[in-house]
Amino acid sequence: AQTVTQSQPEMSVQEAETVTLSCTYDTSESDYYLFWYKQPPSRQMILVIRQEAYKQQNATENRFSVNFQKAAKSFSLKISDSQLGDAAMYFCAYGSSNTGKLIFGQGTTLQVKP
Amino acid sequence: KAGVTQTPRYLIKTRGQQVTLSCSPISGHRSVSWYQQTPGQGLQFLFEYFSETQRNKGNFPGRFSGRQFSNSRSEMNVSTLELGDSALYLCASSIGAYNEQFFGPGTRLTVL
Repeated sequence: AQTVTQSQPEMSVQEAETVTLSCTYDTSESDYYLFWYKQPPSRQMILVIRQEAYKQQNATENRFSVNFQKAAKSFSLKISDSQLGDAAMYFCAYGSSNTGKLIFGQGTTLQVKP
Repeated sequence: KAGVTQTPRYLIKTRGQQVTLSCSPISGHRSVSWYQQTPGQGLQFLFEYFSETQRNKGNFPGRFSGRQFSNSRSEMNVSTLELGDSALYLCASSIGAYNEQFFGPGTRLTVL
């Protein structure tokens, strides 16, 4: 069975600085997807970024980028130029190519200090 | 394009009752998944429907059931409610079964 681990329950960053959230996963599959989702206090879950396992290039979306290390089964999220609106719970999620379900980590609460 | 909508947004029920939650996916999306979110257990997969067929089911008791209609709208039902069923129930839709999922705002269920 696949598992996702986020070892940082809480993180904080100063506005305009950079922060990296960690995620590791375990799987025996070779084809899968990885996602970072953001859940602000309003509770609406928002997709931040997606990475296909077969792609070597790390995904980037504006200020958000990932460091995908397939052999190490690591998938970290880097947020550059942090903004107050980035404060939220961030979930790392694994999506199997064989099923339609997502397996989530426990989440990391990110605090952005002005 | 309108996002995923869920109704109702809040529900208060008592133990032993049953409840039905509704989810309307993004137009054109054929896959609908349901998740339960609690502070203790985090986000757990309930089930996934694709073209009216349940494709996958999580590790939940048979009191939790669902269905999908021909217009891709989905409902989930919880019978004989227990206190532990209090949670935020999230619905997510995707174009296909293996694409990124877009979430609705959730239904907050409180069981007294």
